[in-house]
Formats: sequence, structure tokens, C-alpha cells
Amino acid sequence: DIQMTQSPSSLSASVGDRVTITCRTSQSINNYLNWYQHKPGKAPKLLIYDASSLQSGVPSRFSGSGSGTDFTLTLSSLQPEDFATYFCQQSYNTPLTFGPGTNVDI
Amino acid sequence: EVQMVESGGDLVKPGGSLRLSCAASGFAFSSLWMTWVRQPPGKGLEWVARIKSKTHGETTDYAAPVKDRFTIFRDDSKNTLYLEMNSLNTEDTALYYCTTGRNNGYEYWGQGTLVTVSS
Repeated sequence: DIQMTQSPSSLSASVGDRVTITCRTSQSINNYLNWYQHKPGKAPKLLIYDASSLQSGVPSRFSGSGSGTDFTLTLSSLQPEDFATYFCQQSYNTPLTFGPGTNVDI
Repeated sequence: EVQMVESGGDLVKPGGSLRLSCAASGFAFSSLWMTWVRQPPGKGLEWVARIKSKTHGETTDYAAPVKDRFTIFRDDSKNTLYLEMNSLNTEDTALYYCTTGRNNGYEYWGQGTLVTVSS
């Protein structure tokens, strides 16, 4: 199975901050990497697919980059509604593992 | 409007069985690969099982912890996804989501159904 790590596991930030979350995989997955936002009591929301493609309807302050084993999710200017947990997920091969998550709070 | 509604979650004793359902509407259900993802209390997301479309042979894949105990299947005539769960143990306690997408990511999600395994 492909192992996923994320860093940091949690971070504190303020509105307007630039935030970067890193995801690393145990083997190369080309660009088969997705990012989700998850808030308590709600379904996860797809933000980025294929490492850098912005999902329809997602604000442009979210961006993704990377390939191979190292990937990054960037929020250019944190908004109040962005405080949540962020997960990466590889869609290269089964099981399609998720990262452990990064909690972004104030 | 896309809707995915899970049901069937319940409190069950260890060793018991349960069948989850996911009724979908608003998209081409039969053409998409469908997946179950779960979230144990206080933990992250865990991929559980996937079934491909009929065009792709309805091939199934499972996470190691559920392989040989869970069965994923679909009824395209009813736009419904199922998860048959047997030999349940306490580690199966989680909120179970059905999900799918047109690209490589999961863009459509239900609100989840809660499975609690406890004596």
C-alpha cells in the first residue's frame, strides 16, 4: 500500500495568512493526488484533483502543485470559512489511501 | 442537483452484520465508479471499497482491514450502491460515506451513515 504523510499535522493561522500544507507519498504516484477540505458534520469537499487542477466552484485562493512523491496545497489568503481539516489522497492505485490530515485553526 | 443519501447504519454487536445503502440521483450513476469511505470517531478518512462501472466489469477492490468481510455491489437500475458488512468488530465503528467523481477525485459525497459496533 502507498503510505501518505502530511505536514504539519496542525497549524494555527490568521485570516489573510498564506498557508502551505505538504503531502508526501511512499512511492511515486505521478500526479494522481487529490486534496479535500473537511469540516465537522459535513461531507468532505474536493478542492484539487490531479495535483493541480482546481475543482469547479472552488475559490482560486486554493492551489496545488507537485508530482512524484511531494505535493503542496497552498491557500494564498486564508478566509474565515477555510478553518477546517485538509486531507490529501492518492488515486494512483488501490487502496486509494488518504493522508492523516492537517487541522487549520485560529 | 446531485444527491447521495446513505442509510442502514445502526448499533450492532461484534460479529454481527449490516447492509448499507446509498441512493444516488442527479448524475450518470451507471457510468461512474462508486466508493465507500469511512471515518472512525476522532480519526481521519479511510478508503474502504470501490466498484467499477458495468462497462469496466464491475470490478471490486477492498482495503485490507475489510477484505473478505465486506462486499460492495451496485444496482444501476435503482441508482443504488450497497455495502454488505459481515463479522463486524469494534474497529469498524465509523461514519460511512458513499462517494464518486467524474475525474480522479471524489466530487460527490453523501452525508454519511453511522455504524457503531459495540456489545
